[in-house]
Amino acid sequence: GAVVSQHPSRVICKSGTSVKIECRSLDFQATTMFWYRQFPKQSLMLMATSNEGSKATYEQGVEKDKFLINHASLTLSTLTVTSAHPEDSSFYICSAPNPRAGVESPLHFGNGTRLTVT
Amino acid sequence: AQSVTQLGSHVSVSEGALVLLRCNYSSSVPPYLFWYVQYPNQGLQLLLKYTTGATLVKGINGFEAEFKKSETSFHLTKPSAHMSDAAEYFCAVIPDSSYKLIFGSGTRLLVRP
Repeated sequence: GAVVSQHPSRVICKSGTSVKIECRSLDFQATTMFWYRQFPKQSLMLMATSNEGSKATYEQGVEKDKFLINHASLTLSTLTVTSAHPEDSSFYICSAPNPRAGVESPLHFGNGTRLTVT
Repeated sequence: AQSVTQLGSHVSVSEGALVLLRCNYSSSVPPYLFWYVQYPNQGLQLLLKYTTGATLVKGINGFEAEFKKSETSFHLTKPSAHMSDAAEYFCAVIPDSSYKLIFGSGTRLLVRP
């Protein structure tokens, strides 16, 4: 079964509103989670690294005030797209490494969230 | 900076034919290499990975890949394509100890009946 749960799977919102996406690790504690964005027919681009108990680390070109990340517990990271605009429409995917495994072990991915901003 | 190159955004094969999806990486040291598959509107599923040891890696669904250091390649193959193999395939690398996956641009595999 899934070890990383992402919710919602699909969301449609109006321009200017904010949307929160949750990513939960189900049977392990994740001090680090990663948020990716995937535009249609494109690859996954790392947006930020979510760190439990500290500030997220954003990749170059990603607006931290636009994409708010909160990692309040060892099993939950949230990504909030603030004041969403149509260009934010995308597929957002979270992932988490199992800290009991080494870095060479695969990340566990959520099933993604399809965000459509109208 | 580490990068991953997937040659061919689309690959089309007939059912039963050989599947070959190409992946090259740039790295001064051998990285950790992965192949993932993505079905429409879904997350990613790991097909196989190379970390250390045997350079020919076998994965799920009959896929395998060979790590060739001299060619900095990690091509994905399957002897006989099935209709259910039609999907997007991503080669990815972790170049260091950060757990950060760097993805290639992806290759869409089309399987013709």
